[in-house]
Amino acid sequence: QQQVKQSPQSLIVQKGGISIINCAYENTAFDYFPWYQQFPGKGPALLIAIRPDVSEKKEGRFTISFNKSAKQFSLHIMDSQPGDSATYFCAAKVGFQKLVFGTGTRLLVSP
Amino acid sequence: NAGVTQTPKFQVLKTGQSMTLQCAQDMNHNSMYWYRQDPGMGLRLIYYSASEGTTDKGEVPNGYNVSRLNKREFSLRLESAAPSQTSVYFCASSPWTSGETDTQYFGPGTRLTVL
Repeated sequence: QQQVKQSPQSLIVQKGGISIINCAYENTAFDYFPWYQQFPGKGPALLIAIRPDVSEKKEGRFTISFNKSAKQFSLHIMDSQPGDSATYFCAAKVGFQKLVFGTGTRLLVSP
Repeated sequence: NAGVTQTPKFQVLKTGQSMTLQCAQDMNHNSMYWYRQDPGMGLRLIYYSASEGTTDKGEVPNGYNVSRLNKREFSLRLESAAPSQTSVYFCASSPWTSGETDTQYFGPGTRLTVL
């Protein structure tokens, strides 16, 4: 119940295309859903986050879509660029102060 | 602001050796965390400290100990290293007072190999 399932494991998108990464969860007590971006050799950094009272949040080319009834949320990267090539992790906050992470998606945007 | 700093960046140990991974943050954050990252496993929480003076187990605490030395520093100790502890270790901190301050800020990581 504490898991967050993430797919796909890897993704190749052409420059200018849309990248979509999906996550699913079981625990309805989760109340905060962030996405982290990690470049090789670096620590993860917060990209965008959403709370379950909102169905969509957009920041520039990055959008989170949240479906509370299906217990799913997804990251959409519009007009994908080679600089977006990184590993993306979804996560969910459980209880006080703790995050549970998905297994990660390695995105490659081809020029 | 250096953010979250970790030392060392790389370390090679032999089975049975001990070592301490150091972490410090200069953002005056209340909460600090230790994660390990393994291929295909994502980030798994080892231990966390909600505030100075408190520590709690995460998902994978076996084989590790922690010390919250003060508000800035949170160390992770491997008493008797095993090959299964080969991983990349990340320290993170968070203000975690309420609302939008749920963000965790990560350090650059320590790549540990146990032979």
